[in-house]
Amino acid sequence: QQQVKQSPQSLIVQKGGIPIINCAYENTAFDYFPWYQQFPGKGPALLIAIRPDVSEKKEGRFTISFNKSAKQFSLHIMDSQPGDSATYFCAANHKTQGGSEKLVFGKGTKLTVNP
Amino acid sequence: EPEVTQTPSHQVTQMGQEVILRCVPISNHLYFYWYRQILGQKVEFLVSFYNNEISEKSEIFDDQFSVERPDGSNFTLKIRSTKLEDSAMYFCASSRDGVSYEQYFGPGTRLTVT
Repeated sequence: QQQVKQSPQSLIVQKGGIPIINCAYENTAFDYFPWYQQFPGKGPALLIAIRPDVSEKKEGRFTISFNKSAKQFSLHIMDSQPGDSATYFCAANHKTQGGSEKLVFGKGTKLTVNP
Repeated sequence: EPEVTQTPSHQVTQMGQEVILRCVPISNHLYFYWYRQILGQKVEFLVSFYNNEISEKSEIFDDQFSVERPDGSNFTLKIRSTKLEDSAMYFCASSRDGVSYEQYFGPGTRLTVT
């Protein structure tokens, strides 16, 4: 099943809050799980990524939690700021027969951080 | 910091016309991709390209689409006869190799078919 299910669709938090975005997948062949941040009119920018042999990865205020047995992973944003307001996409990497990677994206979460 | 660039930023074309979207991937990258994003929807994989040939393509990438690396720096997506439903943002991405997994996206070309 080549799908990644992402929730919630939108999220509003106050400055300093900790928004959490969840993703779930079915295909156990996925081998890498990146998160992308997208501002209006811009391309997705790689934010943080995790491999399935790791349960947690932290980079600055961004943390990925990964539950391999449940096939779920989530993004936490600590001390969120208005500048974090963007659309966040989870994705899963699938190695193709040709040897390259193919990213399967979730539907995105529009995050608004109010001042 | 190296980045993927795309031209034009916005392309308006009439239905049935051919368009070519251009991308310059990061210079030491070997794998190239096209994705599209219909307004308000998720990013969808179109095609991957390595060693001057298509590695994989999605069901969206039908005979109307083609990709080419005409020289050592450019990577193009051609839509032969555009349809209204081709209106979308088209993103080019590149990755260094088949191990790093990190794909870097360009700013996109907004294609509007009228």
